[in-house]
Amino acid sequence: AQKITQTQPGMFVQEKEAVTLDCTYDTSDPSYGLFWYKQPSSGEMIFLIYQGSYDQQNATEGRYSLNFQKARKSANLVISASQLGDSAMYFCAMRETNNQGGKLIFGQGTELSVKP
Amino acid sequence: IAGITQAPTSQILAAGRRMTLRCTQDMRHNAMYWYRQDLGLGLRLIHYSNTAGTTGKGEVPDGYSVSRANTDDFPLTLASAVPSQTSVYFCASSGWAGNSPLHFGNGTRLTVT
Repeated sequence: AQKITQTQPGMFVQEKEAVTLDCTYDTSDPSYGLFWYKQPSSGEMIFLIYQGSYDQQNATEGRYSLNFQKARKSANLVISASQLGDSAMYFCAMRETNNQGGKLIFGQGTELSVKP
Repeated sequence: IAGITQAPTSQILAAGRRMTLRCTQDMRHNAMYWYRQDLGLGLRLIHYSNTAGTTGKGEVPDGYSVSRANTDDFPLTLASAVPSQTSVYFCASSGWAGNSPLHFGNGTRLTVT
């Protein structure tokens, strides 16, 4: 069964520094997708970035990038030049692309606090 | 603005009562989902629907039921609420491509007393 693990319940980072949020996954399916979401204190879920298992390059979206290490089954989110507005919960999620329903399985989340 | 609408925003419910959480999307997405969010557990899938007329069970389906009579609506029903169903409930939808992200509603905060 597929599984997503985020081992860091909470993280602190100084404003303007980079931070890495860890995510490891387990699946027997060779075809899968990995997603990161941000949930600020207001509660909405905001999609950040996607990485497909067959993508040759690590995904990037503005200040967000994925450090995708397929052999290690990890897909860590890197946020560069942290801003106060980055303080939020971050969730890693996975979809097995041949999965009935296209559902995502989520990790437990990491709470990021950016210090001024 | 296209998106997902959930209602109510919050609700306090007595144990044993029946409750339906509403979810409507206007993005014409095939797939819809219901998740519950609990501290320390992330989001857990309750039920999902690939397309109108079909539904499936997620990780934590017990005590919940869903229906998908049309593309836009995906209500979640608690037949007889229990305190352990106190949670924040999120409805989401997605297109069918493997790289389609889930689009979420703003959530319903439910407290069962």
